[in-house]
Amino acid sequence: EAQVTQNPRYLITVTGKKLTVTCSQNMNHEYMSWYRQDPGLGLRQIYYSMNVEVTDKGDVPEGYKVSRKEKRNFPLILESPSPNQTSLYFCASRTGQSNNQPQHFGDGTRLSIL
Amino acid sequence: AQSVTQLGSHVSVSEGALVLLRCNYSSSVPPYLFWYVQYPNQGLQLLLKYTSAATLVKGINGFEAEFKKSETSFHLTKPSAHMSDAAEYFCAVTHNNAGNMLTFGGGTRLMVKP
Repeated sequence: EAQVTQNPRYLITVTGKKLTVTCSQNMNHEYMSWYRQDPGLGLRQIYYSMNVEVTDKGDVPEGYKVSRKEKRNFPLILESPSPNQTSLYFCASRTGQSNNQPQHFGDGTRLSIL
Repeated sequence: AQSVTQLGSHVSVSEGALVLLRCNYSSSVPPYLFWYVQYPNQGLQLLLKYTSAATLVKGINGFEAEFKKSETSFHLTKPSAHMSDAAEYFCAVTHNNAGNMLTFGGGTRLMVKP
């Protein structure tokens, strides 16, 4: 089954404790992306990657890092989480051929930073 | 720059009534437009997309949307609401020169009354 898998689904942690949210896709997609969802703001793009070792900033990259060492994986790293990063996070992927291809989304990771 | 406005963060309809969810976009070049649906505790699923072919686009679950360039709109409709349509709906825009950015509206939560 074609899918985007995120882990963990839920995490409560404290300010300053480094965390990583993993994302893996099994569709051999070139393009992967991270979003955060906040009430009334829709989804905002954090980082995206066009292919292995190619990453770029989205609208809200501050406080986040990503890496793309393998095509299927695109982890999101919070080096020093702060309460304003409490949010619902989604990973997505699509074929890299064109912007007109739809993105496939994971089920989300709800992060609470105390 | 591109942007999306969804009028009405909450819409309530009776079962069997017409569903109309509004989306207006801003884009300096021909856009690609998407509607996604989000059920509770799930990621986003593609309902339909417009990519410069037919202006009336049919999607899954009986939904359709019409691209109106003169009104910069891409409203989502369904003739008869079902209880199972209760969810949050997101409109999103991108285009060939968007640098792989997909911009979402703030979302509309649809409630269906029995």
